[in-house]
Amino acid sequence: SHELTQPPSVSVSPGQTARITCSADVLPKQYTYWYQKKPGQAPVLIIYKDDKRPSGIPERFSGSGSGTTVTLTISGVQAEDEADYFCQAADITGTYMVFGGGTKLTVL
Amino acid sequence: EVQLLESGGGLVQPGGSLRLSCVASGFIFSDYAMTWVRQAPGRGLEWVSSISANGDSKYNADSVTGRFTISRDNSKNTLYLQLNSLRVEDTALYYCAKGGQFRHTTGRYFDQWGQGTLVTVSS
Repeated sequence: SHELTQPPSVSVSPGQTARITCSADVLPKQYTYWYQKKPGQAPVLIIYKDDKRPSGIPERFSGSGSGTTVTLTISGVQAEDEADYFCQAADITGTYMVFGGGTKLTVL
Repeated sequence: EVQLLESGGGLVQPGGSLRLSCVASGFIFSDYAMTWVRQAPGRGLEWVSSISANGDSKYNADSVTGRFTISRDNSKNTLYLQLNSLRVEDTALYYCAKGGQFRHTTGRYFDQWGQGTLVTVSS
């Protein structure tokens, strides 16, 4: 089955750039999607189709990458960005979906 | 504004059953696939089950196949998840999520989420 691997944690100071990777174990890779999850709140879609940003998501969030590894970049990190971030993809048929294990972003 | 409101969670003994519901509003429910995603305490998100817009196609994670059944009633804008043969490891917050891709069989991703309903399996 499809697996996505993320680093368990990333720490940055306010104003710095945070990069969170998501590595897939198989090719071809489908699009990757990113969600922000804060305690007690529902997940929020922040990146879709690798690099597209839904309306209302700040420009400091961006997605990039190809092949088996994609990256979520948060430029100019703010305290409010402290959260868990999950990548997600579907298999080639689009009928089996998987999440990465999640990355806890700590803003120092 | 899209709203997804889950209900039906609770405390149940191992081997027991529950039926979760998710009432949707703010979009044309019958145009989008819907999905259940869960998060166990201290764990990550886990895809559980998806259903196509018309309800004809259903897909389950291996961990719930044969025990959980997803369904929908487009006349009531409601998504369901029947949970049978529950195990302690099914304890989680269960989220209802709207498929992101218009009329795709599973939606591929999830652009709107409910607040979740908590299922606790314990003796």
